[in-house]
Amino acid sequence: QVQLQESGPGLVKPSETLSLTCAVSGYSISSGYYWGWIRQPPGKGLEWIGSIYHSGSTYYNPSLKSRVTISVDTSKNQFSLKLSSVTAADTAVYYCARLRMTTVTYFDYWGQGTLVTVSS
Amino acid sequence: EIVLTQSPGTLSLSPGERATLSCRASQSVSSSYLAWYQQKPGQAPRLLIYGASSRATGIPDRFSGSGSGTDFTLTISRLEPEDFAVYYCQQYGSSLLFTFGPGTKVDIK
Repeated sequence: QVQLQESGPGLVKPSETLSLTCAVSGYSISSGYYWGWIRQPPGKGLEWIGSIYHSGSTYYNPSLKSRVTISVDTSKNQFSLKLSSVTAADTAVYYCARLRMTTVTYFDYWGQGTLVTVSS
Repeated sequence: EIVLTQSPGTLSLSPGERATLSCRASQSVSSSYLAWYQQKPGQAPRLLIYGASSRATGIPDRFSGSGSGTDFTLTISRLEPEDFAVYYCQQYGSSLLFTFGPGTKVDIK
């Protein structure tokens, strides 16, 4: 069974960098698939942040591209998110997910999510 | 960027009733790239439908998806108590962009 687990600080100060890691178990990242980050502000909808292939190829939401870096560490079977210059608007539950991108596209396995609050 | 609009915002129904949820795109979307998710409070979204009409593994057959072009529909044939949740449509389109609709909340009447 594929499982994903987000980890990282739950509180980040404004202007600093948010850093999260997603540990994957039950599937080797090196075997394929894309992997993504999605966020959800409290009481609001879902926003795709970006995705990465096991080779390291990345795709970012243009609205966040200047502040986002997603990387993969196949040796640890995990991938990471960095979001710089955060503001209160970046307060959200952050999810990592496995992304199938072939003749169809969908996020099939999701982590439980981690709440990140931006506040001084 | 393709914008997804979902209607209604809230659907109040009773168990056993039929639910019809709409997802409309601002421009044509490939059916292969249209998915639906269910989200319950405090939980991550769960994949229900992909390719506009294919049920994900383990999804009951009371859930069905249809549509093409700019209009897509998620139908729940007979609502069970566990189906009351928020439902999101999601598309993948040009510029390698993923977007989600704002969601439809199905609550108990």
